[in-house]
Parts: sequence; C-alpha cells; structure tokens
Amino acid sequence: SQQGEEDPQALSIQEGENATMNCSYKTSINNLQWYRQNSGRGLVHLILIRSNEREKHSGRLRVTLDTSKKSSSLLITASRAADTASYFCATPNQAGTALIFGKGTTLSVSS
Amino acid sequence: EAQVTQNPRYLITVTGKKLTVTCSQNMNHEYMSWYRQDPGLGLRQIYYSMNVEVTDKGDVPEGYKVSRKEKRNFPLILESPSPNQTSLYFCASSAYNSPLHFGNGTRLTVT
Repeated sequence: SQQGEEDPQALSIQEGENATMNCSYKTSINNLQWYRQNSGRGLVHLILIRSNEREKHSGRLRVTLDTSKKSSSLLITASRAADTASYFCATPNQAGTALIFGKGTTLSVSS
Repeated sequence: EAQVTQNPRYLITVTGKKLTVTCSQNMNHEYMSWYRQDPGLGLRQIYYSMNVEVTDKGDVPEGYKVSRKEKRNFPLILESPSPNQTSLYFCASSAYNSPLHFGNGTRLTVT
C-alpha cells in the first residue's frame, strides 16, 4: 500500500547542528505531511506540502518535495534539545480516507 | 483551546472484559479516526468516520467497534479484548482535506 518510509531510522546530533530526515513514498500524491511525536504522546502536525510545491518553510523547518523521485526531506536547522522526538511523514491514501504514516525517524539532540 | 481529548490515558484490563476508550473533539471536525501504534509496525488505522453516522473500516478493524452518534464524539469499543490488542491508541480529527489533530493517546494493556 502507499506508504512513506523515513530514513534514517535514528539520528543523533549535537545542539546547533542541522538535522535532515528523508521520506520516500510509492504512488502519486496530492500532498505530503510531516508530524512530530514526543515520546508516548500524540502526533503534532508540523507542515504540509502540496504536490505542486517544491519547498516550504516554517520557522526552523524546511521541507522539500520531489515528485519525480517520490521523495521529501525535512530539515531542522540549529537543532535544540527540545527537538528530540520522532518525526513521521504521511501521505493520504488514494481514497482520501486515511493518512498513511511511515515508521518514523527518531531524532536525539544532545546539549 | 482546540483539542482532541481521549480517556483514559492508561488502561490495564483482562482478556474478555469489554472496554470503551472515549474521544471528543471541540473543533467541529467532520472527520475522525482511530489509529494504533506498535513498535516496528508504526501507526495503523483502525476505523474512521467521515461524518455523523458514517463509519468505515481502516486497515486493522478486527476486534474493534466504533460509533459516531454526535459530531464531537467517536468512542472506540473493544467488546472482548485480547492480549494482541495491547497497544498505544490515538484518536484524531480533521476538517476536510486538512491536517490531523491527535489526542494524547491511550496506552492499553490486556493481560
């Protein structure tokens, strides 16, 4: 089934460094979304990029979308310890009745 | 404050004892959905509802029931819980074609 797959599975960096996470998906989409989850808590929506957009910014977040490669990346600049969380990409299924989530990238930012 | 409220936050029960996890949203969203999250399997959709009295199965509906008698509420019912339903459950809601808002989750243990 259509699904986003994040890469890497885990990422450890120092505060102040940039963190880049990648997502690949299988079929055509009309949008791709990124979510963040703090340990054991609910997911929080970060950013949505539509299929006709190539790049989108929100604060320290930068998301790119390459529909020809069926891939997206999430860049967090100047990471902080508070950015420690799991990050998921998600794409709507063909019927538009569900978001299909990848398994996530676990980001650890140490001070 | 706009939010999705799930209760209880933690639940330990025994096999076969019926239980209900409640979910309520105050954003007047048409769409609501239940997901379960398991290590290595990610988030999987259990059931969804496009509006009042309209519910449908997601990817893993076996052993679950839902109802949508009012727009704000979408309870998840386990008629006869089994240990393989031990999981972290999330309720989510959204307006049409918009990002999901998640509850804080219900951690269920079935012994």
